[in-house]
Amino acid sequence: GQSLEQPSEVTAVEGAIVQINCTYQTSGFYGLSWYQQHDGGAPTFLSYNALDGLEETGRFSSFLSRSDSYGYLLLQELQMKDSASYFCAVRRNSWGKLQFGAGTQVVVTP
Amino acid sequence: NAGVTQTPKFQVLKTGQSMTLQCAQDMNHEYMSWYRQDPGMGLRLIHYSVGAGITDQGEVPNGYNVSRSTTEDFPLRLLSAAPSQTSVYFCASSRPGLQGDTQYFGPGTRLTVL
Repeated sequence: GQSLEQPSEVTAVEGAIVQINCTYQTSGFYGLSWYQQHDGGAPTFLSYNALDGLEETGRFSSFLSRSDSYGYLLLQELQMKDSASYFCAVRRNSWGKLQFGAGTQVVVTP
Repeated sequence: NAGVTQTPKFQVLKTGQSMTLQCAQDMNHEYMSWYRQDPGMGLRLIHYSVGAGITDQGEVPNGYNVSRSTTEDFPLRLLSAAPSQTSVYFCASSRPGLQGDTQYFGPGTRLTVL
């Protein structure tokens, strides 16, 4: 079957580092994206990995291993504003058809 | 640029009613999509379009119709609303090849079917 697995919730304190893992099993794989969504808001794009390795964008980094069907999003120097849901999404075809995971709620505490 | 706009923001329907959710984008993006988001289930693709006049089904197309007569607009029609269609609906647009076809989402329409 087709599935993306990610933890449902992660809690951490301000200033800490959080890693959100995503394992996938899909037909068709062009790349892995990450989106952030605050409560009541729309998802916003964070990062995209088409090839194996690490992509860094400020405090956020994303990693992909195609051979392991695995990726992760690393959030460093956590801030209160990082409290949100984070979704991994597999790009399944050349036009950008996305399949989303169920999301990980990150709770940042003082 | 307004980006992706959706109307209405909130809607309550009775079972069996029909309605159209509006979506427009002013970024000249070729690709547009409709997703629904239910608690604990992430976003699921309903229908998508790769250009004016071209649409196709996503994961959960039943009960919904779309058309794309212009690059800017991509309305979603609920034919006969059912309580199972209570959800938050997001429209998104993207440009081919831009960072893996990054999706730009509208603010969403919160639909309740009684």
